[in-house]
Amino acid sequence: QVQLQESGPGLVKPLETLSLTCTVSGVSLTSGGFYWTWIRQHPGSGLEYIGSIFDSGSTYYNPSLKSLVDISLDTSRNQFSLRLTSVTAADTAVYYCARGGGYDSANIFRGRFFLDYWGQGTLVTVSS
Amino acid sequence: DIVMTQTPLSLSVTPGQPASMSCKSSQSLRHRDGKTYLYWYLQKPGQSPQLLVYEVSSRFSGVPDRFSGSGSGTDFTLKISRVEAEDVGVYYCMQGLQLPGTFGQGTKLEMK
Repeated sequence: QVQLQESGPGLVKPLETLSLTCTVSGVSLTSGGFYWTWIRQHPGSGLEYIGSIFDSGSTYYNPSLKSLVDISLDTSRNQFSLRLTSVTAADTAVYYCARGGGYDSANIFRGRFFLDYWGQGTLVTVSS
Repeated sequence: DIVMTQTPLSLSVTPGQPASMSCKSSQSLRHRDGKTYLYWYLQKPGQSPQLLVYEVSSRFSGVPDRFSGSGSGTDFTLKISRVEAEDVGVYYCMQGLQLPGTFGQGTKLEMK
């Protein structure tokens, strides 16, 4: 059973760095052509794609956040992490990690945004 | 970025009745590989989103057959044949054709 679980501080001060970790169980981060993805949801609002890291380590970040975001893999712990620098109140949101991509039973790639497993989400508040 | 527009923003339905919601994209979501990368996700109250439909009309594993997706190009529809209480939540369409992936603003389904 694949499970993802976010962890990290719930409160971050303005202009500091937000750091979150997603611990994955039930599948190896380096197997199967998956995109390990971060998505956020501002309070009472919709969903925003932050970025992904492929099992090879290559990354893609939403251009709206690109200079501020870093996503990394820790294969020894089967975790991937999000760092968002110089945060402001506008970064207050629920942050979700999710698994995208992979291959179906016919070995056809399912698409980067085939987000089949999600963490429960963690609320991060930016405030002094 | 591709803009996704959903209508209506809210929907109130009597249990057992059908429901339908629309999603329009600012450009065609058909890829040169022949697939159309349009997804539907449901976020139930207090939960994370869950995948319902991928590539316009394919139901994800475990999704009841009362859910059906249709459409092509830029216009897409999600229909629920007979709404049940457990279907309450916000439905999001998402395009996966072009980076960054973008979501619609959501359609909130409530029970009458």
